[in-house]
Amino acid sequence: KQEVTQIPAALSVPEGENLVLNCSFTDSAIYNLQWFRQDPGKGLTSLLLIQSSQREQTSGRLNASLDKSSGRSTLYIAASQPGDSATYLCAVKGGGSNYKLTFGKGTLLTVNP
Amino acid sequence: EPEVTQTPSHQVTQMGQEVILRCVPISNHLYFYWYRQILGQKVEFLVSFYNNEISEKSEIFDDQFSVERPDGSNFTLKIRSTKLEDSAMYFCASSEANRGYTFGSGTRLTVV
Repeated sequence: KQEVTQIPAALSVPEGENLVLNCSFTDSAIYNLQWFRQDPGKGLTSLLLIQSSQREQTSGRLNASLDKSSGRSTLYIAASQPGDSATYLCAVKGGGSNYKLTFGKGTLLTVNP
Repeated sequence: EPEVTQTPSHQVTQMGQEVILRCVPISNHLYFYWYRQILGQKVEFLVSFYNNEISEKSEIFDDQFSVERPDGSNFTLKIRSTKLEDSAMYFCASSEANRGYTFGSGTRLTVV
């Protein structure tokens, strides 16, 4: 059974700082990994998708890496802004005939002005 | 950018009542899903739907739940005889094969 863990559970940084969020998963036979952002009481906004054959993806100030063999991914946020404050969720899509996403519990990020 | 649309955004229902949550997936997507998030907990998988049938379901998705694609655009989740513990945010999602998921903004279900 796939398990996804995110560290840290919460992170508070001053504006402008670069930061890294971590995600680990137990079963490396994944199709892809997706990072989402969730604002309080809101839906899930997709940030980055990394296919299992890829090592990283970039979008603006965000960079996500994937090391499938070790079961790890990181989300790097450059020059953080108060508007980046949200919960960041990591989710993996399992291999084989299993198309479901398994989520981590998320990292609650607070960027202080 | 294409969106997944969910209605209603918030539903309050009495315990024991039936509710139907509605979703309009992205039109060219073939895979549809329901997930839920109990307050303070992980987003958890309920069911996936492909080619007009359930392709996978979790242990949560028991006889109390059912899904339907009544026409070419809507995808519904029915919860029969709701319980207090069914209170959660319910998310619909759609995807193409081996591509990223697009989630709707969710329906907050409150059972009283």
